[in-house]
Amino acid sequence: SQTIHQWPATLVQPVGSPLSLECTVEGTSNPNLYWYRQAAGRGLQLLFYSVGIGQISSEVPQNLSASRPQDRQFILSSKKLLLSDSGFYLCAQRVGRGNSPLHFGNGTRLTVT
Amino acid sequence: SQQGEEDPQALSIQEGENATMNCSYKTSINNLQWYRQNSGRGLVHLILIRSNEREKHSGRLRVTLDTSKKSSSLLITASRAADTASYFCATDAKGNNRLAFGKGNQVVVIP
Repeated sequence: SQTIHQWPATLVQPVGSPLSLECTVEGTSNPNLYWYRQAAGRGLQLLFYSVGIGQISSEVPQNLSASRPQDRQFILSSKKLLLSDSGFYLCAQRVGRGNSPLHFGNGTRLTVT
Repeated sequence: SQQGEEDPQALSIQEGENATMNCSYKTSINNLQWYRQNSGRGLVHLILIRSNEREKHSGRLRVTLDTSKKSSSLLITASRAADTASYFCATDAKGNNRLAFGKGNQVVVIP
């Protein structure tokens, strides 16, 4: 089975502070990994995806960055948070290519004050 | 760019009734997927329909796909209170490694 761990579950950070959200996956190797953000009452916005260690594709230019230091670890970071960074951050993995679904973690609720 | 966009409706129905949601998209796709999200949780995959399929069933779920109209529908039959959630469609565009999600449809099933 595929298990995704995200932490923390909730986070309140002041504007201008740094951010580090971690996602680790179990049960598979060489997955595609994704970071999505969901604003209140909105759909999911793809932020970053990775097809392998050290390989990061950015979908939206903003003050966030992502890294994949290990095959099963995906980290979302920011040096200085903005109010607009508040939202629900979801990590997802995809095993295989083509017609396969995403498996999501339970998300991190970030509030920037 | 965002592909897969549901009719942004909040649907409130009585238990036992059917719930139908629609989704439209803009480009060629490999497949279209539907996901469910309970409040404050991650999304859970429900069903995938490939671009060469027109209809698919899974339990009480029925999905249709019309590639000529670039649209899909999700039908939940005999709804239950536990079906209360947000439902998202997502398109898997050709040549991509990623899914694009719509804004979601909130469904409330009243016991």
